[in-house]
Amino acid sequence: EIVLTQSPGTLSLSPGERATLSCRANQSVSSSYLAWYQRNPGQAPRVLIYDASTRATGIPDRFSGSGSGTDFTLTISRLEPEDSAVYYCQQYGSSPRTFGQGTKLEIK
Amino acid sequence: QVQLVQSGTQVKKPGDSVKVSCKASGYTFTNFDISWVRQAPGQGLEWMGWISTYNGNTNYAQKLQGRVTMTTDTSTSTAYMELRNLRSDDTAMYFCARGWELTHWGQGTLVTVSS
Repeated sequence: EIVLTQSPGTLSLSPGERATLSCRANQSVSSSYLAWYQRNPGQAPRVLIYDASTRATGIPDRFSGSGSGTDFTLTISRLEPEDSAVYYCQQYGSSPRTFGQGTKLEIK
Repeated sequence: QVQLVQSGTQVKKPGDSVKVSCKASGYTFTNFDISWVRQAPGQGLEWMGWISTYNGNTNYAQKLQGRVTMTTDTSTSTAYMELRNLRSDDTAMYFCARGWELTHWGQGTLVTVSS
């Protein structure tokens, strides 16, 4: 089973700053089949990035994904107040399709 | 537009079973797998498994093997997730989602297990 470890656990930044979220796998993620999701209370999760770096439909270009193999990054440039949420990575290249434990992003 | 609409809140007792439905619209149902994901209170997202809407093949999370069954009814474009022998730690919000990349999600179904 691929274990995904996200860091940091919590990130507190101001509007306009850049957020860098990390997702590290204990073994290589097949074909960079890794996605990032945003989870807000009371709402269903929303996919931001899939295939490690492809922005999903309707996602602002402030969100970008990078990485391959075992190290992946979600970058949010020019933070806005509505970016406050918990962010999860998930690999879907092998079964079980595991999630990371999440990074909570707080906007000051 | 693509929509996944789930059935409503359910309250169950330990040992009961629950069956959650997920009705798809706005696309060809058999072109995309359906995955099920849950989130217990205060916990992260947990992948439960997926079902091929094309041929009915399934893949379940190890910890749920023997208790979960995922099915589809292609005539109504509906996916189902049944969880048996419920325990208190099965209390969670349950989501269905489309495709490998989970591009579209249902609104969630709250299942509470309590004696």
